[in-house]
Amino acid sequence: DAKTTQPTSMDCAEGRAANLPCNHSTISGNEYVYWYRQIHSQGPQYIIHGLKNNETNEMASLIITEDRKSSTLILPHATLRDTAVYYCIVREGAKGSARQLTFGSGTQLTVLP
Amino acid sequence: NAGVTQTPKFRVLKTGQSMTLLCAQDMNHEYMYWYRQDPGMGLRLIHYSVGEGTTAKGEVPDGYNVSRLKKQNFLLGLESAAPSQTSVYFCATRKNTAGVNTQYFGPGTRLTVL
Repeated sequence: DAKTTQPTSMDCAEGRAANLPCNHSTISGNEYVYWYRQIHSQGPQYIIHGLKNNETNEMASLIITEDRKSSTLILPHATLRDTAVYYCIVREGAKGSARQLTFGSGTQLTVLP
Repeated sequence: NAGVTQTPKFRVLKTGQSMTLLCAQDMNHEYMYWYRQDPGMGLRLIHYSVGEGTTAKGEVPDGYNVSRLKKQNFLLGLESAAPSQTSVYFCATRKNTAGVNTQYFGPGTRLTVL
């Protein structure tokens, strides 16, 4: 089972880049890295995913190390609305099962004015 | 395009009462899920469905039943509510893209059982 380790909490100044790290040293070769976030009292929201290459979309960038043992989610210009718990997920159920995502404790990101 | 919607948003029940939570999606996704989230804890899978007419148990299915009569709807039932079922319930769908597990969540139903 691929597990993840994330810092419990981080602060970031508004307008600055937020860099959220995640360690997943036991990830297997065909497992994707997913990032979700959960703003207080709302449902989790998909942000981005990647396998080997760095990825970018309208919300964030994902940097995956060459050995795939860690990754970093980058919010280029954090706003107050980005305050949320950010989850790095590499574990999902096996094929033929529910394929549910396993959410850990995540990182509480607080964007400060 | 509403995505995933849940009804109701809030509910208070007395012990022993029953209720049904409705999840609806307009994305034509095959997989649907019901999770519960308790304070300070992660999401735990209650039941799931891999397509219309199918359901299966997740990690914490006791005390709940589900039905998927139509592809777009996934219902979660509590036959006899207990205080331990006080929680926030999230419905989710999974986009069926080979190898990639992208899930979309509803806004949640906050249930209190007295």
